[in-house]
Amino acid sequence: DTAVSQTPKYLVTQMGNDKSIKCEQNLGHDTMYWYKQDSKKFLKIMFSYNNKELIINETVPNRFSPKSPDKAHLNLHINSLELGDSAVYFCASSHHGTGGERYGYTFGSGTRLTVV
Amino acid sequence: DAKTTQPNSMESNEEEPVHLPCNHSTISGTDYIHWYRQLPSQGPEYVIHGLTSNVNNRMASLAIAEDRKSSTLILHRATLRDAAVYYCILNPRGAQKLVFGQGTRLTINP
Repeated sequence: DTAVSQTPKYLVTQMGNDKSIKCEQNLGHDTMYWYKQDSKKFLKIMFSYNNKELIINETVPNRFSPKSPDKAHLNLHINSLELGDSAVYFCASSHHGTGGERYGYTFGSGTRLTVV
Repeated sequence: DAKTTQPNSMESNEEEPVHLPCNHSTISGTDYIHWYRQLPSQGPEYVIHGLTSNVNNRMASLAIAEDRKSSTLILHRATLRDAAVYYCILNPRGAQKLVFGQGTRLTINP
């Protein structure tokens, strides 16, 4: 059973199009994330949702809109795609320890988005 | 976000132990030390984490200096499958995100 699954694995699309990436976790975690890994392999957080509420929005353009229908799902919709959006997008989830620490971050296998 | 410093790359041989260092001289008392790794074409994967004491699990050991300003991830017997980028991350208690640095690219020679 895949813990964090995201679809599609690959996405090739033209500039200006709108696309969505879906993510689901079956770990019972309370927080989900979207990360972006660019061509230089730098991993940067984009969004964080805790129990369906937006917690973190790291100055991501408005063209990116996350949606969390329930605790187990976090989808990412991108409007008017640009060449610079080409990257690998990772979904992740985590939970809270009794000491207040957040741990057990589990990542999906990524969606490679190529904008042409 | 508290910073960590890791070597850009390291090389080791199969079946030998590997010690991956991490400096975090500005660590605060509530920062947990996390290690993640990213295998080629995969998402990051949890390796181990600790606060003050050394930790062991089936993947690795984490040795934390007494002053907590540095730590070492120990792979006891490297295999080719351990070739990956290893990230040392300080995660404050209550933090809502994991912040990745550049990591150490580990190459394992057959």
